[in-house]
Amino acid sequence: NAGVMQNPRHLVRRRGQEARLRCSPMKGHSHVYWYRQLPEEGLKFMVYLQKENIIDESGMPKERFSAEFPKEGPSILRIQQVVRGDSAAYFCASSPEGWSYGYTFGSGTRLTVV
Amino acid sequence: AQSVTQLDSHVSVSEGTPVLLRCNYSSSYSPSLFWYVQHPNKGLQLLLKYTSAATLVKGINGFEAEFKKSETSFHLTKPSAHMSDAAEYFCVVSGGSSNTGKLIFGQGTTLQVKP
Repeated sequence: NAGVMQNPRHLVRRRGQEARLRCSPMKGHSHVYWYRQLPEEGLKFMVYLQKENIIDESGMPKERFSAEFPKEGPSILRIQQVVRGDSAAYFCASSPEGWSYGYTFGSGTRLTVV
Repeated sequence: AQSVTQLDSHVSVSEGTPVLLRCNYSSSYSPSLFWYVQHPNKGLQLLLKYTSAATLVKGINGFEAEFKKSETSFHLTKPSAHMSDAAEYFCVVSGGSSNTGKLIFGQGTTLQVKP
């Protein structure tokens, strides 16, 4: 079991470009969560998705950020027109039937905006 | 609303001495509580979790935590620190009555272990 796979591990984007972060959940997991960790801070919830559905996006910035978890393929977190303040580590977690069964976190994608 | 406060941003201990990382929580209902560890440039690993069963929870690598409702605390302890324990530790509470799986993270405590 490969665990939660996130790629790329490191991503550098210039201001104004788009960033696409991918998360493949563990085999058999149908729930995906995205968290953001700003420097020197704890993780902050962004969005919770099940296959083809956004369940809770209360932590997502109102503009430029979107997430999807299609029927086939990985979950994607997309950031349009990136700014320096988007520089952070983005973590994905997955669970089989919901959080009470426990999360497994990926190793994260570290986004640097230059 | 749920919240969690880690009382120390940085803890330094000598190898072989006890570890105490302090955490207080606030929750309007019976919470689930977790401790996660993050080694540099790595993902998060679950150390232990409390979900309203036994108040003393044993985790991996010799760590344990005690849920004290009267004190709203969930401190993490280990009898004897090892060099490999040096990392960032996060106290986490489940957030939201809607059970959507939102976790609320503390600010983290950096554990330094001196030889």
